[in-house]
Formats: sequence, C-alpha cells, structure tokens
Amino acid sequence: DVVMTQTPVSLSLAIGQPASISCKSSQSLLGTSGKTFLNWILQRPGQSPKRLIYQVSKLYSEVPDRFSGSGSETEFTLKISRVEAEDLGVYYCWQGTHFPLTFGSGTKLEIK
Amino acid sequence: EVQLQQSGAELGKPGTSVKLSCKVSGYNIRNTYMHWVNQRPGKGLEWIGRIDPANGNTIYAEKFKSKATLTADTSSNTAYMQLSQLKSDDTAIYFCAMDPGAYWGQGTLVTVSS
Repeated sequence: DVVMTQTPVSLSLAIGQPASISCKSSQSLLGTSGKTFLNWILQRPGQSPKRLIYQVSKLYSEVPDRFSGSGSETEFTLKISRVEAEDLGVYYCWQGTHFPLTFGSGTKLEIK
Repeated sequence: EVQLQQSGAELGKPGTSVKLSCKVSGYNIRNTYMHWVNQRPGKGLEWIGRIDPANGNTIYAEKFKSKATLTADTSSNTAYMQLSQLKSDDTAIYFCAMDPGAYWGQGTLVTVSS
C-alpha cells in the first residue's frame, strides 16, 4: 500500500500567517494516464470532510485562492497564504492513483 | 446542487450486520464512482472500497474484503454498504463520497455494543 506521510502533525498559527503542509508518498502518484491523483481535504471539527484540491493543484470552485497545491511524483505541499479563522480543522492528503486509496494521517491547524 | 444524504446512526450487536445507505441528489451516480471511508473515534480516515454503480464493479481494501459489501441502486440513485460480523473495532463513522472526493456525505455513526 502507498504510505502517505504528512507533516507537521499540528500547526498553531495566528490569523494572517501563512501555512504550509507537506505530504510525501512512498510511491510515485503519477498515473498511467499522465495524471497525478493527489487530493487535499479539510475536516472541520464535528463535520464531514470538505473538498479543497484535486490532481495536486486544481482548486474546487468554491475554495478561496489563498489555498494552493503543488508538487509532483512523491512530494506535495498545501499552502495557505494567509490563515483565516474558518481554516481551522484537520487537513488530509490522499491519493487516488493506486489501490487501495490511502490517506495521510492529518495535520491539525489551530488558530492562536 | 449535489448532496449526499446518509442514513441515521446504527447500534449493532457483535456478530450482526448493518446496512448503510447514501442517497445522492443532483447527480446521476451512474456517471461516477462511489467510495466508502471510515473514521474510528479520534482517528484518521481509512478507505474501505469503491463501487461503479453503472455496472456494480467493486474494489475493496484488503482488510475490508470480508467485512464490507458495496452495492448501488441506480433507480433510486443510492449507494449502500453492508457491514457484517460486527465487532467492537467496527465502531466508527462511515462516510460515502463521490469520486474523486468532490462530495461527501455527513457520515453515519455505527456503534457496536452488546
């Protein structure tokens, strides 16, 4: 199985500060289609996950442009240019290239 | 607007089965894959499997092959997951999600207790 390693485990940031979350996979996530199925989701406290980014860097339409995703092969990054209060929760990366699909262990973002 | 509405919380006794549902509105499930994911108390997310509602083809994570059975009813636009031989370790919230995680249900809490 592809192991997804997320760092850091937690972040405590003030509003307006930037955030960066790393996600590394144990195998390349570049698929035979030429696409890389690396996604990011946010789970706010007590809620189901919400979509953020798919295929490494594509933001869903409702996601603010302060979020960005980058990376390739086995190393990926989620960045928030300026953290806002609504960004608190646990961020997960997950891969859809190889079965079984696998998730990172999550990064908890707290607001100072 | 696409919505995934999951069935209500379940309390199951050890050794029994439960069947969860995920009704999709605003999108034809024939045109997507439906995934199921669990989250044990205080833990992260774990992929259970996926079904192609158009033809019923399924793929499971190895550890869930004898635990979960995924089905779908395209006439009602609903996906189902049956969990069998319940154990205390199956206590978790179970989410359905549309490929590729674009939409998620609200989750169903399954509690296994005698």
